[in-house]
Order: sequence, then structure tokens, then C-alpha cells
Amino acid sequence: DADVTQTPRNRITKTGKRIMLECSQTKGHDRMYWYRQDPGLGLRLIYYSFDVKDINKGEISDGYSVSRQAQAKFSLSLESAIPNQTALYFCATALAGASGELFFGEGSRLTVL
Amino acid sequence: KQEVTQIPAALSVPEGENLVLNCSFTDSAIYNLQWFRQDPGKGLTSLLLIQSSQREQTSGRLNASLDKSSGRSTLYIAASQPGDSATYLCAVRLEYGNKLVFGAGTILRVKS
Repeated sequence: DADVTQTPRNRITKTGKRIMLECSQTKGHDRMYWYRQDPGLGLRLIYYSFDVKDINKGEISDGYSVSRQAQAKFSLSLESAIPNQTALYFCATALAGASGELFFGEGSRLTVL
Repeated sequence: KQEVTQIPAALSVPEGENLVLNCSFTDSAIYNLQWFRQDPGKGLTSLLLIQSSQREQTSGRLNASLDKSSGRSTLYIAASQPGDSATYLCAVRLEYGNKLVFGAGTILRVKS
């Protein structure tokens, strides 16, 4: 089983719908991240969390919200999806400390029609 | 604002060739730099992580170097194989804010 699991792996939805992407990890890491990947733009940080009570905005947080339900779970919500949120979304984890290596889930491909 | 650039954007080489992928960053205030591999439809797999105090890291046929003062890193792949075909991304961890900034990646194709 994967150490960082994302669900769903693929989702097609319509404009205006609420969508939740979930991430769970078995690595025991404190830090969790949500990124989106668009062709030619690399990965951009949406939100990150250093522990259950800590939530921080990344560079592109508008239109998204997150919830850190437990150390092992970090979910990303799109309250009202729009077509330019069509992208590949990745969850990642890392140990606390500046040098923590990042470990990624397999990604969730979201298409908003 | 930290910007990370990877050159070339795409590379196609015959099997067996040694190759170099380049990564440059604009702000030298980094904690570390990480190289990742991404296969189509898959997540990112960490290949090598170089701390800011280090000059290079090696793993098998891969060698990554870091020149923090000039804002450059290279990933050297020796004796390339078709199985090396993937997208390679570099990312720098900032000293402030503890964030990771990614390059757009280099798409590598190794032809058999």
C-alpha cells in the first residue's frame, strides 16, 4: 500500500459543484501539503499544515479550503468548482525540520466542465 | 520572489548516452534542493536531496550537484536507459517560510 494515499484519483465534475479531495498518510509525518500541477507551470502550493492546529495559505489558495482532521489526514475542498481549477492535484508529506524530504501521493486528476 | 528554471524543457537521447539536466534558481537563500522523477499519470518520486551545505549527492547512476552561490544545480544521469524516460523536476526549499518552489520540469526520452 502507498504511504501517501489520495482519493479520488480521477474526478469529473461541473462548474459550481463542491468537491473534496482527500489525503491520508501512514508515514507519521507532521507536515502535509496540497499542490496543483498545470502543464508548463510546475507545481504550485495551495495550502500547507505543520500540525493538526496549523493551517497556512500557499501561493494560490483563492477558491480552495483545507481541513486537517488528524495528523494523518488532510483534505482539500473546492467550494464552487470552476473550469480553471482543472488540474492534477498532489498531496505531499514531510517530517518536521527544514531539511525534511517531501513524499508525494499519486495525484488526483480533476476536470471541471 | 524565488524562481526556478529548468533547461532544457525536453530532451531526447539514444540509450547509453550520459546526460545533464539543469536547474537554476534566483535566490540563493535556500535550505536544500530536491530532484524528483515523475512518470506519466503518477506522483513524484524523490531521487536526491542536497542540503545547502553540500556540493553533491549520488545514488546509483545519478549524481546531483549544487552551486548555491551561482544558483545552479545539475542532475547527471550516466549510461541512460529507456526506463529513465520521465519528467524530472527540481525544487528548492526556501530558508524563509519553509516552502518548496518547483521548476516546470525537463521531459526526458531515452530511445532504445
